[in-house]
Amino acid sequence: RKEVEQDPGPFNVPEGATVAFNCTYSNSASQSFFWYRQDCRKEPKLLMSVYSSGNEDGRFTAQLNRASQYISLLIRDSKLSDSATYLCVVNPYNQGGKLIFGQGTELSVKP
Amino acid sequence: DADVTQTPRNRITKTGKRIMLECSQTKGHDRMYWYRQDPGLGLRLIYYSFDVKDINKGEISDGYSVSRQAQAKFSLSLESAIPNQTALYFCATSGGTGYGYTFGSGTRLTVV
Repeated sequence: RKEVEQDPGPFNVPEGATVAFNCTYSNSASQSFFWYRQDCRKEPKLLMSVYSSGNEDGRFTAQLNRASQYISLLIRDSKLSDSATYLCVVNPYNQGGKLIFGQGTELSVKP
Repeated sequence: DADVTQTPRNRITKTGKRIMLECSQTKGHDRMYWYRQDPGLGLRLIYYSFDVKDINKGEISDGYSVSRQAQAKFSLSLESAIPNQTALYFCATSGGTGYGYTFGSGTRLTVV
């Protein structure tokens, strides 16, 4: 089983749609969680950290369920510029600060 | 200037050649990492360093070596390049446990 699993997609949605990405992780001792965004052939960039209480940044909402070892990212009112690959990232407690990356979920927002 | 700078941006090299990819950072972070990314395989850790005197192998270190010349510099070498090392290589830095990474813009390496 992979340490971090995501649905690879692609998710093809119209502008204005709401889309949700899910991610599961296997190490129950994981302590930090992130969503990264990666545009084609570019470097991954931090989109947002994920906190236990859930957190929101504009159109983006992240949720964490430690009991189920599940992380989600919700994008509301999708824009064409949201088209990218979204990486779920986990910092396991016992791996010295190394981050474990999911393979990413591809999103394509169409006009 | 970028916080994490990688050189070269693109490189084509021949099988058997030695090649070095360089990374420098201005964030003052102790932790630095080298990853490679291949389609369908995601990001895989090659080597990482938590300070100048600390070098650790990642999950795919065979065929690679690294040098941490200073806090700000971490280079990756392919001693004898082979075609399956064709990939996109990223350097990253981190402020410590619980912090995310800042990535360089990547080096696209092609081994022919």
